[in-house]
This record gives sequence, C-alpha cells and structure tokens, in this order.
Amino acid sequence: AQTVTQSQPEMSVQEAETVTLSCTYDTSESDYYLFWYKQPPSRQMILVIRQEAYKQQNATENRFSVNFQKAAKSFSLKISDSQLGDAAMYFCAYSRYNNDMRFGAGTRLTVKP
Amino acid sequence: GAGVSQSPSNKVTEKGKDVELRCDPISGHTALYWYRQSLGQGLEFLIYFQGNSAPDKSGLPSDRFSAERTGGSVSTLTIQRTQQEDSAVYLCASSPSLTGGRSGELFFGEGSRLTVL
Repeated sequence: AQTVTQSQPEMSVQEAETVTLSCTYDTSESDYYLFWYKQPPSRQMILVIRQEAYKQQNATENRFSVNFQKAAKSFSLKISDSQLGDAAMYFCAYSRYNNDMRFGAGTRLTVKP
Repeated sequence: GAGVSQSPSNKVTEKGKDVELRCDPISGHTALYWYRQSLGQGLEFLIYFQGNSAPDKSGLPSDRFSAERTGGSVSTLTIQRTQQEDSAVYLCASSPSLTGGRSGELFFGEGSRLTVL
C-alpha cells in the first residue's frame, strides 16, 4: 500500500519569509500524481498545487512551488513571501487514480506577523 | 450550491445511537468520497463511489459503518451503535470523471464534526 509521510507536525514562519514543508511517499509505481492541499480553520480542504510524476519540471502556482525528487520519493512544498492567510494545515497526498488518494498526517503552519 | 455541501455541520450523540451524515456533491461530479479526520491525524479513506459501479468500501473500519449514494448524487454515511472512537470530522469530496485514468482534484465539503459522548 502507498504511504505518505509528513515528518513535520508543526512549522512556523515569519510573514514575508519562505518556508518549506516536507513530504515523502512510498510507492512501487512509476506513474502517479502528488498534491498539496490546504485546510484552513474553516475545515474546507482546497487544492494548492499538483504534480504529475511523469513531468520532470517542478509545478509552480504563484507563491507556491514544489521540489519533486522522484528517485528520492520526496515532494516538498515551498511557500514564498508567506502571508497571514497561509496559516493552515497542509496535507500532502498521493494518487494513481481518483479512487486511491492517500493523505499524510498534515503539517500545521503558523505565520507570525 | 456551487460546492460540496455536508450536513449536519456538527453532531453530538450518545454512545450507542445511530447517526446519519449527508453529502451533496457538486452537480455533474461522478465520483464521491468519504474520509475521516481524527484529531491530529491525516485523512483516512472510508469509501468511494464512481458512477454506477460498485463502491469501494475497503476503508470502512467496521460493519457499523455503511454508505449509500442515491441516484448517483447525494450520499449518506451511516454509523450504527456509535462508539467514542468514532468521534472525528467526516469529510466528503467529489470529483469529475476524467478520461484515461488521470487523477484530478478532489473538491471537499466543510465536513461534519461528530462527537460521541
């Protein structure tokens, strides 16, 4: 079974600074998808960024970017110019097809003004 | 509405009672998922519906848990004889059908927080 590990239960960053959240996963597959989801206090999960494993180029969405290391099975999220609204739980997720999305335990990010 | 709707938002029940949690997915989305999120934990997969196919129930933790999806739209998660360990947030998500087995984005509701006393 695929597993997703987030080794940082909590992280803190100063407003306007950069923070990196770590994620590793275990799979024997070569074609899969990786995601970072954000869960603010409202509880509603929203997609932050997605990476397709066959693409070597790291995904970027505005201030959010990933460092995808396929051989190392590592998928970290970098948040640049952190804002107060970035404070949330962040979940890393792995999926091959829609019906097997697996999530890590999450990292709680605090942004200090 | 435009998003995934879940009800009730909060539910407090006594141990041994049955509860029903409802999910109304985004119109047109063929896939529907239930996850459980316990305090300090990640999301635990419970069950998955895809169109008219038989649901994937592999994540249901016990036979006290069941779910149905009527008319390919609204889904109800039922927990019978609730136990204190069932206390958690139950999240529903839906996604559109994609071709070629590609994996896409899940759209989540705000969840139903269940507290079993």
